[in-house]
Amino acid sequence: AQSVTQPDARVTVSEGASLQLRCKYSSSVTPYLFWYVQYPRQGLQLLLKYYSGDPVVQGVNGFEAEFSKSNSSFHLRKASVHWSDSAVYFCAPGTQVVGQLTFGSGTRLQVYA
Amino acid sequence: EAAVTQSPRNKVAVTGGKVTLSCNQTNNHNNMYWYRQDTGHGLRLIHYSYGAGSTEKGDIPDGYKASRPSQENFSLILELATPSQTSVYFCASGENWAYEQYFGPGTRLTVL
Repeated sequence: AQSVTQPDARVTVSEGASLQLRCKYSSSVTPYLFWYVQYPRQGLQLLLKYYSGDPVVQGVNGFEAEFSKSNSSFHLRKASVHWSDSAVYFCAPGTQVVGQLTFGSGTRLQVYA
Repeated sequence: EAAVTQSPRNKVAVTGGKVTLSCNQTNNHNNMYWYRQDTGHGLRLIHYSYGAGSTEKGDIPDGYKASRPSQENFSLILELATPSQTSVYFCASGENWAYEQYFGPGTRLTVL
């Protein structure tokens, strides 16, 4: 079984709409969870992170994610998307080796006007 | 000002040739990583390092070597490049006590 699953390869939403990008992780990884964003022809940028505490964590540019231990999920949300949010989003849980991440296959978000 | 830089940004190599990809970080992080990114696979870990002189195999090390001569520099070496190594390569750095990593802009490698 895959250690992290992003079931939606591509999501298309209209500008101003709400957004949820899904991420599920397996018991083989740690509950230390990260979302990264990759804009075209760029490297990955850290969007937000969860180590412990409040299960809803805030990130940059209005993004937030909610950790659910019971559902083994860490879904990314945004209340109102902008065209500039068009990018590829990666969910990345920590592995059992401190410092190492394992990356999902990514979700490509397209926001249209 | 970029904390993780990579060179070259683009590279075309011939099959059987030697390729060296370089990475430099100014974060003073102990850990450094090399990944490749291919469509449908996300990022896959090739090699990583815990500090100067250290290199460790990641999930897909075959066909690659790594070198960490200093805290700041981490190189990925393809001794005999093959077309299957055509990909985008990313370097990242991170603290040895934390999971978050900070990425360079990537190197697009084409092996003909």
